[in-house]
Amino acid sequence: GAGVSQSPRYKVTKRGQDVTLRCDPISSHATLYWYQQALGQGPEFLTYFNYEAQPDKSGLPSDRFSAERPEGSISTLTIQRTEQRDSAMYRCASSLNRLNEQFFGPGTRLTVL
Amino acid sequence: KNEVEQSPQNLTAQEGEFITINCSYSVGISALHWLQQHPGGGIVSLFMLSSGKKKHGRLIATINIQEKHSSLHITASHPRDSAVYICAVKNTGNQFYFGTGTSLTVIP
Repeated sequence: GAGVSQSPRYKVTKRGQDVTLRCDPISSHATLYWYQQALGQGPEFLTYFNYEAQPDKSGLPSDRFSAERPEGSISTLTIQRTEQRDSAMYRCASSLNRLNEQFFGPGTRLTVL
Repeated sequence: KNEVEQSPQNLTAQEGEFITINCSYSVGISALHWLQQHPGGGIVSLFMLSSGKKKHGRLIATINIQEKHSSLHITASHPRDSAVYICAVKNTGNQFYFGTGTSLTVIP
């Protein structure tokens, strides 16, 4: 695709519900990153994929957070039993490989009521 | 303690001024990124560097690995440069650490 896309752009949910966010990276990009950005803060690393492999999950804040990239292209980030503190912008970025610059998607703004 | 510290946090400049934003980090890195976050929220990668200096238009980024410090310079600043500039470092394990950003406002 022309760039990294994410959907939905905005998501409002009630506390306790599960949400799934989607990222479509630039085609042919091997590496995909997920970040969480609280309002007024810089992004924080959550996890990344090399194709379908997920070498590092260390940034995921709790076991309620999980990410998948089963075919090495589209990725989803799922938050189970959402809490108000999960409210943030969730950004996805992709790069040709680990050594190249990242291209960021527009983000999904999640609000947990 | 943050692994990445930026200064200043906020910066206001007159159009045409030379601007410097600083970034210091405490971890061993494989690369350092400078990102620009627009008022609308979109993030654009400006530079990725692991040594020396890079230049793109009016933007210059330098890094001193020994001192664990990088600077982003903007020459002949313009109101359209107004944005948040974020420094991010990648360690050898491919984890990223981000600074909290420098909010730049350039006044006409």
